[in-house]
Amino acid sequence: QVQLQQSGAELAKPGSSVKISCKASGYTFTSYYISWIKQTTGQGLEYIGYINTGSGGTNYNEKFKGKATLTVDKSSSTAFMQLSSLTPDDSAVYYCAREHLHYFDYWGQGVMVTVSS
Amino acid sequence: DIQMTQSPASLSASLGETVTIECRASEDIYNGLAWYQQKPGKSPQLLIYNANSLHTGVPSRFSGSGSGTQYSLKINSLQSEDVASYFCQQYYNYPPWTFGGGTKLELK
Repeated sequence: QVQLQQSGAELAKPGSSVKISCKASGYTFTSYYISWIKQTTGQGLEYIGYINTGSGGTNYNEKFKGKATLTVDKSSSTAFMQLSSLTPDDSAVYYCAREHLHYFDYWGQGVMVTVSS
Repeated sequence: DIQMTQSPASLSASLGETVTIECRASEDIYNGLAWYQQKPGKSPQLLIYNANSLHTGVPSRFSGSGSGTQYSLKINSLQSEDVASYFCQQYYNYPPWTFGGGTKLELK
């Protein structure tokens, strides 16, 4: 069955970076994009961007350019998102999701990122 | 960006009742709409895509309808396991894909 297994919760200091992973299984990894979505209580769900798992090409929501960097390791069927220059506004749950024709048919379990000094 | 407005923000209903959640887009999204269910502490799960197509394994008591800028999710014969938050997402106009603010469904 399709599974997206994300890495564990992160506690980071302001100004630092974190890198979250998303390991896919149960399907041909390079046949689907992986997207990343941010969820906060105040802002709800926000689309960050996607990575073409075959070519490594990326596309970002303008709001997250310079904040998020998406990469992929095809050999391990794993997608990564690095968040840089962290501020308290980056505290959220971050999900990876398999993008199928622009909607998300399978999601990871989410990673809680807390930015605090 | 296309704005997605969901209503109501919260809803209380009884077991066996029929529930309807609405989603309005700021412009025509030509049925490029998905609905997700998110149970407390869990990740969202796809229910409906293309406005009215049921995702694999989703119970038939869930249905989607609508066109243009107005869409709805209907839950027939509400079950206790349907207690969750529900979100709509448009995927007609990128960038970026955008979500509604969510509807929290509770049991009365």
